[in-house]
Amino acid sequence: QKEVEQNSGPLSVPEGAIASLNCTYSDRVSQSFFWYRQYSGKSPELIMSIYSNGDKEDGRFTAQLNKASQYVSLLIRDSQPSDSATYLCAVNKEYGNKLVFGAGTILRVKS
Amino acid sequence: GAVVSQHPSRVICKSGTSVKIECRSLDFQATTMFWYRQFPKQSLMLMATSNEGSKATYEQGVEKDKFLINHASLTLSTLTVTSAHPEDSSFYICSASSSGQTQYFGPGTRLLVL
Repeated sequence: QKEVEQNSGPLSVPEGAIASLNCTYSDRVSQSFFWYRQYSGKSPELIMSIYSNGDKEDGRFTAQLNKASQYVSLLIRDSQPSDSATYLCAVNKEYGNKLVFGAGTILRVKS
Repeated sequence: GAVVSQHPSRVICKSGTSVKIECRSLDFQATTMFWYRQFPKQSLMLMATSNEGSKATYEQGVEKDKFLINHASLTLSTLTVTSAHPEDSSFYICSASSSGQTQYFGPGTRLLVL
């Protein structure tokens, strides 16, 4: 079992719709969770971080964390073609420790 | 804030030569820097973790004598690919973290070894 699992996609959504990206992790001691966006040929860009159960909203993005289910998600409201990218879920087990990345989900927003 | 730069952005070298890549945190002090490698259509692979003033910790399967890492200051880490071969051609990305947990990535360096 991979430490961090994501559906590779591609996930296709129409412009203006809500895109829902999911991620599960295997280690229950994981404490910090991150979503990065990576455009083709570019390096990852931090979108959201979340540390406690529940929802965290930042503009069109909402991260959701459920530690009991070992599940973290990212919702993108009013999806735009510019949101088309690979979204990487990353988990940090301990404070200051390295990140474990999922393989990423390809999102395609069609206009 | 939290800007990380890398230099060069792209490098082409002959097989057998060494290439040095610099990673700088521009507006914060990075206690820890990480070096990743990414092959086409694959996810990030962590190569090593480096803390300022100490030796880097390499991931399993990464040759420390081939990928030399120096983290001499809180704003600069370097990765030197020694005796580069075509199979070392890849996208090398660094990230930096202050005493917190969030990693901020540099723009990456694309290495092509002929």
